[in-house]
Amino acid sequence: KQEVTQIPAALSVPEGENLVLNCSFTDSAIYNLQWFRQDPGKGLTSLLLIQSSQREQTSGRLNASLDKSSGRSTLYIAASQPGDSATYLCAVREYGNKLVFGAGTILRVKS
Amino acid sequence: DAMVIQNPRYQVTQFGKPVTLSCSQTLNHNVMYWYQQKSSQAPKLLFHYYDKDFNNEADTPDNFQSRRPNTSFCFLDIRSPGLGDAAMYLCATSTRTGVDGYTFGSGTRLTVV
Repeated sequence: KQEVTQIPAALSVPEGENLVLNCSFTDSAIYNLQWFRQDPGKGLTSLLLIQSSQREQTSGRLNASLDKSSGRSTLYIAASQPGDSATYLCAVREYGNKLVFGAGTILRVKS
Repeated sequence: DAMVIQNPRYQVTQFGKPVTLSCSQTLNHNVMYWYQQKSSQAPKLLFHYYDKDFNNEADTPDNFQSRRPNTSFCFLDIRSPGLGDAAMYLCATSTRTGVDGYTFGSGTRLTVV
């Protein structure tokens, strides 16, 4: 059974700092991996999608990497801002249409 | 903009009183999903529709049912809500291959009183 773990569970950083969020998964037979952002009481906003054949994806200040063989992904946020404060969720899509989530990393960026 | 819309955003229901949550999409995606997310937990898949084919997760309680009358709409019915069913309910869609990832709605926060 696929299990997704995110470390750290919570992170507090000063504004302007670069930071890395980690995601690991137990079964490397994945179709793709998606990073989401969730603001309190809201739905999920897709940030980056990495196909299993890809190594990384970039969008603005965000960069996500994928090492499928080792079961790891990282989300790099450059020059963090208070508006980046949210919960970040990693999810892997297994073959068969099922998306399995990690519990998330709660990020707080202090001004 | 193509999107996934959930109504209502907030729903309060009485213990044991049936409630229906709705989801609509303009993406014309084949697959629609319902997830339950309790406070500080990962979203948990309840079931999904692959076109009209219903796929229930093994551990989804019988209290939860779903309907998909057409491609655009999907409903989550909770027959007899208990206090433990209070949660955020998230609807999502994807294409048949899922190559473009999942698109989520804004969620419905269910409170049971």
